[in-house]
Amino acid sequence: NAGVTQTPKFQVLKTGQSMTLQCAQDMNHEYMSWYRQDPGMGLRLIHYSVGAGITDQGEVPNGYNVSRSTTEDFPLRLLSAAPSQTSVYFCASSSWTGGNNSPLHFGNGTRLTVT
Amino acid sequence: DAKTTQPTSMDCAEGRAANLPCNHSTISGNEYVYWYRQIHSQGPQYIIHGLKNNETNEMASLIITEDRKSSTLILPHATLRDTAVYYCIVRVGSGGSNYKLTFGKGTLLTVNP
Repeated sequence: NAGVTQTPKFQVLKTGQSMTLQCAQDMNHEYMSWYRQDPGMGLRLIHYSVGAGITDQGEVPNGYNVSRSTTEDFPLRLLSAAPSQTSVYFCASSSWTGGNNSPLHFGNGTRLTVT
Repeated sequence: DAKTTQPTSMDCAEGRAANLPCNHSTISGNEYVYWYRQIHSQGPQYIIHGLKNNETNEMASLIITEDRKSSTLILPHATLRDTAVYYCIVRVGSGGSNYKLTFGKGTLLTVNP
Protein backbone atom coordinates (compact mmCIF):
# COMPACT_ATOMS: atom_id res chain seq x y z
CA ASN A 1 0.00 0.00 0.00
CA ALA A 2 1.91 3.03 -1.30
CA GLY A 3 -0.72 5.69 -0.40
CA VAL A 4 -0.54 8.81 -2.59
CA THR A 5 2.32 8.88 -5.08
CA GLN A 6 3.39 12.02 -6.89
CA THR A 7 5.82 12.23 -9.79
CA PRO A 8 8.15 13.84 -10.52
CA LYS A 9 9.60 15.09 -7.23
CA PHE A 10 11.35 18.01 -8.92
CA GLN A 11 10.84 19.73 -12.27
CA VAL A 12 12.25 22.78 -14.02
CA LEU A 13 10.34 24.26 -16.94
CA LYS A 14 10.84 27.18 -19.23
CA THR A 15 8.07 29.72 -19.69
CA GLY A 16 5.54 28.46 -22.21
CA GLN A 17 6.37 24.78 -21.84
CA SER A 18 3.70 22.28 -20.91
CA MET A 19 3.84 19.36 -18.54
CA THR A 20 1.73 17.01 -16.48
CA LEU A 21 2.15 16.37 -12.78
CA GLN A 22 1.14 12.84 -11.95
CA CYS A 23 -0.80 11.70 -8.89
CA ALA A 24 -1.88 8.16 -8.13
CA GLN A 25 -3.48 6.57 -5.07
CA ASP A 26 -4.05 2.92 -4.30
CA MET A 27 -6.62 3.31 -1.51
CA ASN A 28 -9.71 3.37 -3.78
CA HIS A 29 -10.50 6.90 -2.60
CA GLU A 30 -13.31 8.76 -4.33
CA TYR A 31 -12.01 12.25 -3.54
CA MET A 32 -8.77 13.62 -4.95
CA SER A 33 -7.43 17.15 -5.03
CA TRP A 34 -4.48 19.33 -5.96
CA TYR A 35 -3.01 22.10 -3.81
CA ARG A 36 -0.20 24.54 -4.37
CA GLN A 37 1.93 25.99 -1.61
CA ASP A 38 3.99 29.14 -1.97
CA PRO A 39 6.48 30.51 0.60
CA GLY A 40 4.67 32.01 3.58
CA MET A 41 1.32 30.86 2.28
CA GLY A 42 -0.95 28.05 3.30
CA LEU A 43 -2.25 25.39 0.97
CA ARG A 44 -4.44 26.71 -1.82
CA LEU A 45 -6.86 24.39 -3.59
CA ILE A 46 -6.45 24.23 -7.38
CA HIS A 47 -8.87 21.52 -8.54
CA TYR A 48 -10.65 18.60 -7.00
CA SER A 49 -12.58 15.51 -8.02
CA VAL A 50 -15.25 13.51 -6.21
CA GLY A 51 -15.06 10.53 -8.54
CA ALA A 52 -14.07 9.29 -11.98
CA GLY A 53 -15.38 11.65 -14.65
CA ILE A 54 -16.14 14.45 -12.18
CA THR A 55 -13.88 17.45 -11.59
CA ASP A 56 -14.39 20.97 -10.28
CA GLN A 57 -12.45 24.15 -9.64
CA GLY A 58 -10.91 25.18 -6.36
CA GLU A 59 -9.60 28.56 -5.22
CA VAL A 60 -6.87 29.06 -7.85
CA PRO A 61 -7.74 27.03 -10.99
CA ASN A 62 -6.46 29.40 -13.71
CA GLY A 63 -3.63 27.97 -15.79
CA TYR A 64 -4.32 24.37 -14.76
CA ASN A 65 -6.39 21.55 -16.21
CA VAL A 66 -7.35 18.23 -14.65
CA SER A 67 -9.12 15.06 -15.66
CA ARG A 68 -10.20 11.97 -13.75
CA SER A 69 -10.56 9.02 -16.09
CA THR A 70 -9.92 6.43 -13.36
CA THR A 71 -10.39 6.30 -9.60
CA GLU A 72 -6.66 5.90 -9.07
CA ASP A 73 -5.21 8.77 -11.13
CA PHE A 74 -5.67 12.54 -11.05
CA PRO A 75 -3.11 14.31 -13.27
CA LEU A 76 -2.60 18.08 -13.20
CA ARG A 77 -1.72 19.73 -16.50
CA LEU A 78 0.05 23.00 -17.06
CA LEU A 79 -0.62 23.95 -20.70
CA SER A 80 1.71 26.95 -20.87
CA ALA A 81 3.88 27.33 -17.78
CA ALA A 82 4.42 30.78 -16.27
CA PRO A 83 6.90 31.90 -13.58
CA SER A 84 3.90 32.55 -11.29
CA GLN A 85 3.32 28.80 -11.27
CA THR A 86 6.62 28.18 -9.52
CA SER A 87 5.46 26.41 -6.38
CA VAL A 88 5.26 23.14 -4.48
CA TYR A 89 2.30 21.05 -5.57
CA PHE A 90 0.59 18.53 -3.32
CA CYS A 91 -1.95 15.92 -4.28
CA ALA A 92 -4.34 14.54 -1.66
CA SER A 93 -7.04 11.88 -1.53
CA SER A 94 -9.77 10.83 0.84
CA SER A 95 -12.54 8.34 1.14
CA TRP A 96 -15.77 10.24 0.84
CA THR A 97 -18.91 8.16 0.79
CA GLY A 98 -22.02 9.69 2.29
CA GLY A 99 -21.11 11.00 5.74
CA ASN A 100 -17.73 9.34 5.93
CA ASN A 101 -15.20 11.53 7.71
CA SER A 102 -11.97 10.00 6.49
CA PRO A 103 -8.95 12.32 6.65
CA LEU A 104 -6.98 13.55 3.66
CA HIS A 105 -3.87 11.61 2.69
CA PHE A 106 -1.19 13.75 1.06
CA GLY A 107 1.62 12.93 -1.33
CA ASN A 108 5.15 14.20 -0.77
CA GLY A 109 4.87 16.98 -3.31
CA THR A 110 6.31 18.08 -6.64
CA ARG A 111 8.64 21.08 -6.55
CA LEU A 112 8.19 23.01 -9.79
CA THR A 113 10.34 25.91 -10.97
CA VAL A 114 9.40 27.89 -14.06
CA THR A 115 12.16 30.11 -15.46
CA ASP B 1 -16.83 24.99 4.89
CA ALA B 2 -16.45 27.22 7.94
CA LYS B 3 -13.34 29.35 8.15
CA THR B 4 -10.84 28.93 10.94
CA THR B 5 -8.54 31.35 12.76
CA GLN B 6 -5.22 30.30 14.26
CA PRO B 7 -2.30 32.21 15.76
CA THR B 8 0.57 32.69 13.35
CA SER B 9 3.21 31.20 15.62
CA MET B 10 3.78 29.68 19.04
CA ASP B 11 6.75 28.48 21.06
CA CYS B 12 6.93 25.57 23.46
CA ALA B 13 9.68 24.11 25.62
CA GLU B 14 10.72 20.55 24.93
CA GLY B 15 8.93 18.11 27.23
CA ARG B 16 6.13 20.51 28.02
CA ALA B 17 2.59 20.37 26.68
CA ALA B 18 1.87 22.37 23.53
CA ASN B 19 -1.63 23.79 23.34
CA LEU B 20 -2.62 25.06 19.91
CA PRO B 21 -5.91 26.99 19.68
CA CYS B 22 -8.28 27.27 16.75
CA ASN B 23 -11.40 29.40 16.40
CA HIS B 24 -14.21 28.20 14.14
CA SER B 25 -17.14 30.32 15.27
CA THR B 26 -19.22 29.68 12.12
CA ILE B 27 -18.97 25.91 12.29
CA SER B 28 -22.10 24.01 11.31
CA GLY B 29 -23.61 21.19 13.29
CA ASN B 30 -22.44 18.50 10.87
CA GLU B 31 -18.88 19.81 10.40
CA TYR B 32 -15.93 17.99 11.90
CA VAL B 33 -12.77 19.65 13.19
CA TYR B 34 -9.58 18.22 11.67
CA TRP B 35 -5.96 18.88 12.56
CA TYR B 36 -3.00 18.31 10.28
CA ARG B 37 0.66 19.23 10.52
CA GLN B 38 3.37 19.86 7.98
CA ILE B 39 6.97 19.25 8.91
CA HIS B 40 9.39 21.32 6.83
CA SER B 41 8.47 20.77 3.18
CA GLN B 42 6.83 17.38 3.51
CA GLY B 43 3.21 16.67 2.66
CA PRO B 44 0.75 17.50 5.46
CA GLN B 45 0.08 14.69 7.91
CA TYR B 46 -3.26 13.94 9.55
CA ILE B 47 -3.24 14.17 13.36
CA ILE B 48 -6.75 13.90 14.77
CA HIS B 49 -10.36 14.90 14.22
CA GLY B 50 -13.58 15.22 16.21
CA LEU B 51 -17.20 16.35 16.05
CA LYS B 52 -18.37 17.15 19.57
CA ASN B 53 -16.53 15.03 22.08
CA ASN B 54 -12.93 15.30 23.09
CA GLU B 55 -10.69 12.87 21.28
CA THR B 56 -7.31 11.32 22.01
CA ASN B 57 -4.97 9.19 19.97
CA GLU B 58 -1.31 8.25 20.10
CA MET B 59 -0.25 11.63 18.70
CA ALA B 60 -2.43 14.20 20.42
CA SER B 61 -5.63 15.18 22.18
CA LEU B 62 -8.37 17.36 20.78
CA ILE B 63 -10.52 19.45 23.09
CA ILE B 64 -13.67 20.96 21.53
CA THR B 65 -15.66 23.54 23.48
CA GLU B 66 -19.28 22.79 24.27
CA ASP B 67 -20.54 25.39 21.78
CA ARG B 68 -18.06 23.96 19.22
CA LYS B 69 -16.86 27.44 18.29
CA SER B 70 -13.26 26.69 19.18
CA SER B 71 -10.92 23.81 19.81
CA THR B 72 -7.44 23.11 21.17
CA LEU B 73 -4.93 20.58 19.96
CA ILE B 74 -2.74 19.31 22.76
CA LEU B 75 0.63 17.66 22.26
CA PRO B 76 1.22 16.35 25.79
CA HIS B 77 5.01 16.12 25.75
CA ALA B 78 6.37 18.15 22.85
CA THR B 79 9.65 17.08 21.26
CA LEU B 80 11.92 18.86 18.81
CA ARG B 81 10.42 16.71 16.05
CA ASP B 82 7.03 18.31 16.71
CA THR B 83 8.29 21.60 15.28
CA ALA B 84 5.94 22.09 12.32
CA VAL B 85 3.08 24.13 10.90
CA TYR B 86 -0.24 22.95 12.35
CA TYR B 87 -3.45 23.39 10.37
CA CYS B 88 -6.98 23.35 11.74
CA ILE B 89 -9.79 22.88 9.21
CA VAL B 90 -13.48 22.10 9.43
CA ARG B 91 -15.48 20.06 6.94
CA VAL B 92 -18.59 18.02 6.51
CA GLY B 93 -18.55 14.43 5.32
CA SER B 94 -20.12 14.95 1.91
CA GLY B 95 -22.24 17.19 -0.27
CA GLY B 96 -22.07 20.16 -2.62
CA SER B 97 -19.48 22.86 -2.18
CA ASN B 98 -18.27 21.25 1.01
CA TYR B 99 -15.86 19.28 -1.13
CA LYS B 100 -13.69 22.41 -1.27
CA LEU B 101 -11.31 21.71 1.59
CA THR B 102 -9.39 24.90 2.18
CA PHE B 103 -6.42 25.40 4.48
CA GLY B 104 -5.35 28.65 6.09
CA LYS B 105 -1.76 29.53 6.94
CA GLY B 106 -1.77 27.49 10.13
CA THR B 107 0.32 27.93 13.29
CA LEU B 108 4.08 27.51 13.22
CA LEU B 109 4.93 25.66 16.42
CA THR B 110 8.57 25.86 17.41
CA VAL B 111 9.68 23.47 20.13
CA ASN B 112 12.79 24.78 21.88
CA PRO B 113 15.37 22.65 23.70
